[in-house]
Amino acid sequence: AQSVTQLDSHVSVSEGTPVLLRCNYSSSYSPSLFWYVQHPNKGLQLLLKYTSAATLVKGINGFEAEFKKSETSFHLTKPSAHMSDAAEYFCVVSRGGGSQGNLIFGKGTKLSVKP
Amino acid sequence: DTGVSQDPRHKITKRGQNVTFRCDPISEHNRLYWYRQTLGQGPEFLTYFQNEAQLEKSRLLSDRFSAERPKGSFSTLEIQRTEQGDSAMYLCASSTGMGQGVLSWAKETQYFGPGTRLLVL
Repeated sequence: AQSVTQLDSHVSVSEGTPVLLRCNYSSSYSPSLFWYVQHPNKGLQLLLKYTSAATLVKGINGFEAEFKKSETSFHLTKPSAHMSDAAEYFCVVSRGGGSQGNLIFGKGTKLSVKP
Repeated sequence: DTGVSQDPRHKITKRGQNVTFRCDPISEHNRLYWYRQTLGQGPEFLTYFQNEAQLEKSRLLSDRFSAERPKGSFSTLEIQRTEQGDSAMYLCASSTGMGQGVLSWAKETQYFGPGTRLLVL
């Protein structure tokens, strides 16, 4: 069965410092992994996705994530945080396999950015 | 705006009442999904449609819940005899649905609407 675990429920950084949001996954086959961001009162927006091509995936707004099979991790990073990055971030695995491809979300990491 | 839209954005109702939500997917997207998100949790899958056919329902979708997509375009989600535990954000998403096979499924991107926040008093 597929699952994701977001290791931190809340991360706080200062503006201009690096961001690291951690995610571990469990999958019985080579997974597709996504990061979505949710700003207050707005829908979920796709940041980036990994689908078994390059292990380092670049997304929007300067975010990137690296797929590490040996560590079953898909951590999200950004070199320099901006105030507008404050939001909730979800690590997601696609439940493909023999079933329909619906998404399994982690519980989310709330990112706070201090001025 | 060509994104996924949902209506209403907010709904307050009394326990026992029926409510209906609407989702308009991105034009020509064949697949449409409903999710529920409770406070402090990630969204959980409820059901999905391929065109007008409802192909999967989660165990979360009790008998009081029904979803339709009559013409393969917009979809409605109805909750009958609402309970306080139904209070949540209901999210709709759509995808192209053009891929076939396991790997195509896994690579699809779902695009989400802003959600309908339901409060049952």
